Amino acid sequence: DGGITQSPKYLFRKEGQNVTLSCEQNLNHDAMYWYRQDPGQGLRLIYYSQIVNDFQKGDIAEGYSVSREKKESFPLTVTSAQKNPTAFYLCASSENSRQSTDTQYFGPGTRLTVL
Amino acid sequence: GQQVMQIPQYQHVQEGEDFTTYCNSSTTLSNIQWYKQRPGGHPVFLIQLVKSGEVKKQKRLTFQFGEAKKNSSLHITATQTTDVGTYFCAGRGSSNTGKLIFGQGTTLQVKP
Repeated sequence: DGGITQSPKYLFRKEGQNVTLSCEQNLNHDAMYWYRQDPGQGLRLIYYSQIVNDFQKGDIAEGYSVSREKKESFPLTVTSAQKNPTAFYLCASSENSRQSTDTQYFGPGTRLTVL
Repeated sequence: GQQVMQIPQYQHVQEGEDFTTYCNSSTTLSNIQWYKQRPGGHPVFLIQLVKSGEVKKQKRLTFQFGEAKKNSSLHITATQTTDVGTYFCAGRGSSNTGKLIFGQGTTLQVKP
């Protein structure tokens, strides 16, 4: 059963703590992405990776970090430097981001609440 | 940088009425994609338009790509309660950097 998994669905953390959100895909996709979604707003790109061992900053990378050591995994760390981390985080993957017709498949998301 | 604007932000309709959301880009796009996110869910790919002036239909949904490849629209005929959700357009610029630029989305509410 192919797809993208994110865990956990809900996550609570105390202010000042780093937290890592997991994202795994078994679609054999080269590219992976992290988006942040706030209520009533669209999707804002945090980081993306076009290929394993490589990643680029998106539009709102400050306070976040990622790694891409394996093709199927793209974890996102929300650091204490992120001023307003409470949000819905969506991971996505796509077959080949260098193709103009490439489409993205999204995971179920993780809702992070920082108390 | 490239921006994709989407209007309206919210739309409430009576079941059976039509609905349209519009998407405008500040630059020419190589293609445009549409996604739907149900309440509490995640975005799901609906369709992609590539050619100038292209029109595609999926049952009651009609998607259009402008002649200049800078705007697009999604029209739903005779809405149903199952159409509820947020519809996003997403464009990729001609330079093809690998990034999709998402619009802010239009949230559709349908009153039965």
